Amino acid sequence: NAGVTQTPKFQVLKTGQSMTLQCAQDMNHEYMSWYRQDPGMGLRLIHYSVGAGITDQGEVPNGYNVSRSTTEDFPLRLLSAAPSQTSVYFCASSSRDRSSYEQYFGPGTRLTVT
Amino acid sequence: GQSLEQPSEVTAVEGAIVQINCTYQTSGFYGLSWYQQHDGGAPTFLSYNALDGLEETGRFSSFLSRSDSYGYLLLQELQMKDSASYFCAVSPGYSTLTFGKGTMLLVSP
Repeated sequence: NAGVTQTPKFQVLKTGQSMTLQCAQDMNHEYMSWYRQDPGMGLRLIHYSVGAGITDQGEVPNGYNVSRSTTEDFPLRLLSAAPSQTSVYFCASSSRDRSSYEQYFGPGTRLTVT
Repeated sequence: GQSLEQPSEVTAVEGAIVQINCTYQTSGFYGLSWYQQHDGGAPTFLSYNALDGLEETGRFSSFLSRSDSYGYLLLQELQMKDSASYFCAVSPGYSTLTFGKGTMLLVSP
């Protein structure tokens, strides 16, 4: 099993550009989440999904969109990139019975917006 | 809302024991989790306490006191590879986690 995979690993965008960060998992997990990590800020939840077709906002959702058409994939879209979105983005998945504590994280996407 | 407090940095020497504390305030609470993150890597799950008391997993133990809204991670027989950031996290609901800002552990020879 590959676990949770994310692409790309690195990305540089100009202000105003849009892009999609890809996330996939092969563990048949119902729950998937997106976090951003900034220095000294820990991990902050952007959006999450409890199953295909169901998404909800986390702590810092502004400027990001998500959709969940399949169990395996949970892409994160930046609509109009801003320098404040420079961060490391982690996707995570968990099974329903362990969703309140054990999440599996992907390797991250390091995004710079200039 | 949720808030978690943990020290920003802890230092220790190889072979020693170190404790990383976490205090929390949360509107809902399913339990306290701990994650490890090496520099540049992904966070990985270490331990979970749903009930008060001590949970032991090899060299790592985690403790929870619900009445004090407090927990800690105890690392024994420290090794150089334990140098990493450690995050406590609470679950206010059954599908999300709120993380603390992390504690950087530096282990020296």
